[in-house]
Amino acid sequence: GQNIDQPTEMTATEGAIVQINCTYQTSGFNGLFWYQQHAGEAPTFLSYNVLDGLEEKGRFSSFLSRSKGYSYLLLKELQMKDSASYLCAVKLTGGGNKLTFGTGTQLKVEL
Amino acid sequence: DGGITQSPKYLFRKEGQNVTLSCEQNLNHDAMYWYRQDPGQGLRLIYYSQIVNDFQKGDIAEGYSVSREKKESFPLTVTSAQKNPTAFYLCASSVQGGMETQYFGPGTRLLVL
Repeated sequence: GQNIDQPTEMTATEGAIVQINCTYQTSGFNGLFWYQQHAGEAPTFLSYNVLDGLEEKGRFSSFLSRSKGYSYLLLKELQMKDSASYLCAVKLTGGGNKLTFGTGTQLKVEL
Repeated sequence: DGGITQSPKYLFRKEGQNVTLSCEQNLNHDAMYWYRQDPGQGLRLIYYSQIVNDFQKGDIAEGYSVSREKKESFPLTVTSAQKNPTAFYLCASSVQGGMETQYFGPGTRLLVL
């Protein structure tokens, strides 16, 4: 079966840096996505990693280690609007763009 | 504007009733997906379709049915066999293959009366 683990909740302070971890054990791997989802809304795409290393995109960065089955999302200069759920999703091999999602990490940014 | 639309935003189902959720996209994507999201949980795949007139079951297909008669449309029917249908339903689409992400519609919240 497929297993993707993320912390359930995290709290951080406005202006700080937070790292959200994701570990995965899947039968096949063809890339890892991070999405942001505000309550009651659709997930929106943040980043995609398929090779080992760090991908930087403005205040958001994502890291992947395929050998360790591990990824993290790094959010810098936190803003109140970053309070949301962050979903880790693994793209499986074997046809289509099927994704398997973790349960998501609810991030709360406080003053 | 290109995008994915879902309707209705809220839907109420009576016991024993079938209801159909609409999903339309004008992104010219071949692949479309239906997910269910329960409180505090991630997205679980119900059905997906990689091409018109073809679809496959996802991880939790029991009690649901779909059709893909047009590239733009992928409606989901929640049948009376689905005993716990209350959830947030999300439709998504993507191009085939590569590193393309899935794009999500705004979702439909289904509630049982």
